[in-house]
Amino acid sequence: EAGVAQSPRYKIIEKRQSVAFWCNPISGHATLYWYQQILGQGPKLLIQFQNNGVVDDSQLPKDRFSAERLKGVDSTLKIQPAKLEDSAVYLCASSLGGTGLSSYNSPLHFGNGTRLTVT
Amino acid sequence: KNEVEQSPQNLTAQEGEFITINCSYSVGISALHWLQQHPGGGIVSLFMLSSGKKKHGRLIATINIQEKHSSLHITASHPRDSAVYICAVRVDSSYKLIFGSGTRLLVRP
Repeated sequence: EAGVAQSPRYKIIEKRQSVAFWCNPISGHATLYWYQQILGQGPKLLIQFQNNGVVDDSQLPKDRFSAERLKGVDSTLKIQPAKLEDSAVYLCASSLGGTGLSSYNSPLHFGNGTRLTVT
Repeated sequence: KNEVEQSPQNLTAQEGEFITINCSYSVGISALHWLQQHPGGGIVSLFMLSSGKKKHGRLIATINIQEKHSSLHITASHPRDSAVYICAVRVDSSYKLIFGSGTRLLVRP
């Protein structure tokens, strides 16, 4: 089974520039997450999709961050314009999801992340 | 106060030692995940549990729902176990996951 694919692996940009990250979840996984992990901290949820609908984007800085999952498969996360404090690893994860109580407890699968450095 | 607390934050052990990492949480949960993150690497799911105990190789995870506490044990630790171990809880009847800040483990040869 192919894992969660993310690209690019690394990105260095200057502040006020734009950047986009891509994620392809495991085939058939309905739930897709984007997390931001700042050095020394645990992951923080940015946005969660169930198929192509947003389940939770309460911690997404919507003035500069946007994400989409148009066909309910792969997803892109964009930052425009970037700030110094956006330097972090951006992790994508997926789970089987679906409907019903059992779907809440599907195992998580993470990609290798994109390490963003804003200078 | 964070909803998910891990202890210790950092842990150094000698090869062969028995290691315990703790996770306490303050919300109602439907499941708890233990995750492993190697430096520069992605995150790997070790366990997902909602009651009792699970074992995989040298790793054992336990959870006490009444006390809202879980432990991850590593027996006969090895330098390759050096990583950050993260506890994450699934909030009851929702898709929401809350992560702890992780425990950084270093096992010296």
